[in-house]
Amino acid sequence: QVQLQESGSGLVKPSQTLSLTCTVSGGSITSAGYSWSWIRQAPGKGLDWIGYIYQTGSAYFNPSLQSRVTMSIDKSKNQFSLKLTSVTAADTAVYFCVRYDDYNYHFDFWGQGTLVSVSS
Amino acid sequence: EIVLTQSPGTLSLSPGERVTLSCRASQSVTGTYLAWYQQKPGQAPRLLMYGASNRAPGIPDRFSGSGSGTDFTLTVRRVEPEDSAVYYCQHYGGSPRITFGQGTRLEIK
Repeated sequence: QVQLQESGSGLVKPSQTLSLTCTVSGGSITSAGYSWSWIRQAPGKGLDWIGYIYQTGSAYFNPSLQSRVTMSIDKSKNQFSLKLTSVTAADTAVYFCVRYDDYNYHFDFWGQGTLVSVSS
Repeated sequence: EIVLTQSPGTLSLSPGERVTLSCRASQSVTGTYLAWYQQKPGQAPRLLMYGASNRAPGIPDRFSGSGSGTDFTLTVRRVEPEDSAVYYCQHYGGSPRITFGQGTRLEIK
């Protein structure tokens, strides 16, 4: 059973950079047919896809966030990461790391989520 | 960009009733790219259906999905208290286009 676990700072100051890492266990981040995503959920709101990254390092981002997002992947550690720059209070959310099934077009395994608050 | 609109926003049912949740796309989409998720308070979403009508592993057959074009539905036969949750539809529109509906809150009491 694949498991994902988010880690990183839970509090970020406005204008600074949010950094999160997702550690994958129970499966390889290089498994064919999958990509690795970040999804966020502001308090009391719906789901907002941030982007996904392939094992090759190729990444695709939500156009609304593209200018502020970078993702990376570390195959040796079975991890992938998210950086979101110039954060504001609107970036306060629970951030989920998720596996995406590229063959069947859905998110199948989710991390438990981590709350990131943007506040001075 | 395809917009998914879910209805109703909230509904309340009694155990044993049948419910149909709607997900309407702003333009015609392929069912292959349509999935449904269930999210309970304080938890991550859980995959229910993919390809519009395929149940994910471990999902009871009380849950079913259907639809085509712009209209998709998730039906729950004989709802149980444990089905209380928010339900989201999601569409893959190519890279980089993944969108979610705004969710339907289902309360069983």
